[in-house]
Amino acid sequence: AQSVTQLDSHVSVSEGTPVLLRCNYSSSYSPSLFWYVQHPNKGLQLLLKYTSAATLVKGINGFEAEFKKSETSFHLTKPSAHMSDAAEYFCVVRTYYSSASKIIFGSGTRLSIRP
Amino acid sequence: KAGVTQTPRYLIKTRGQQVTLSCSPISGHRSVSWYQQTPGQGLQFLFEYFSETQRNKGNFPGRFSGRQFSNSRSEMNVSTLELGDSALYLCASSLVIGGAVSDTQYFGPGTRLTVL
Repeated sequence: AQSVTQLDSHVSVSEGTPVLLRCNYSSSYSPSLFWYVQHPNKGLQLLLKYTSAATLVKGINGFEAEFKKSETSFHLTKPSAHMSDAAEYFCVVRTYYSSASKIIFGSGTRLSIRP
Repeated sequence: KAGVTQTPRYLIKTRGQQVTLSCSPISGHRSVSWYQQTPGQGLQFLFEYFSETQRNKGNFPGRFSGRQFSNSRSEMNVSTLELGDSALYLCASSLVIGGAVSDTQYFGPGTRLTVL
């Protein structure tokens, strides 16, 4: 079975402080993991992806995520939040098996940035 | 390079009607996937096309269908619209390398469908 859980539906931080968006997953196979960001009235933009190479993945706009197999987690972090980071963030699990694949999106975490 | 384009951006229909949405992938991308995004169900996978063939299908009723043309452009069709079909429909395109679809997807801005 495959699932992804974003532990917080809403996170609010002050500008300049660290960001942590939490994601846990389960997969019967070795998954590919992604973080996407969606700004209002826009499509999804890929922030970063993990595909069994380095466990610490660096993405765009200063974001990074660490794959922890023992904890089945793929949390997204950023050292210093910027006002432009305010958006919805989605953790995504993609599993390949046979000739098909299955993709599941988390329910999303809305990130608010306080001035 | 132009991104994924979706037309129309907004659409209003009434129950029982049908609708066709269009997606043009990034130039050179040959795989197209469709997703439905609603406040209640979140983002759900509809289907994936590559080489004019449906490769993957999500758990949606047969009213939802799609196709891909030889130029990789894709359309999805929803027949007999229901109120619950109101959603943002997102299209994503991917490269195909050596016969394998890249797992990196690039999303379009979506089509906002409202069913009255």
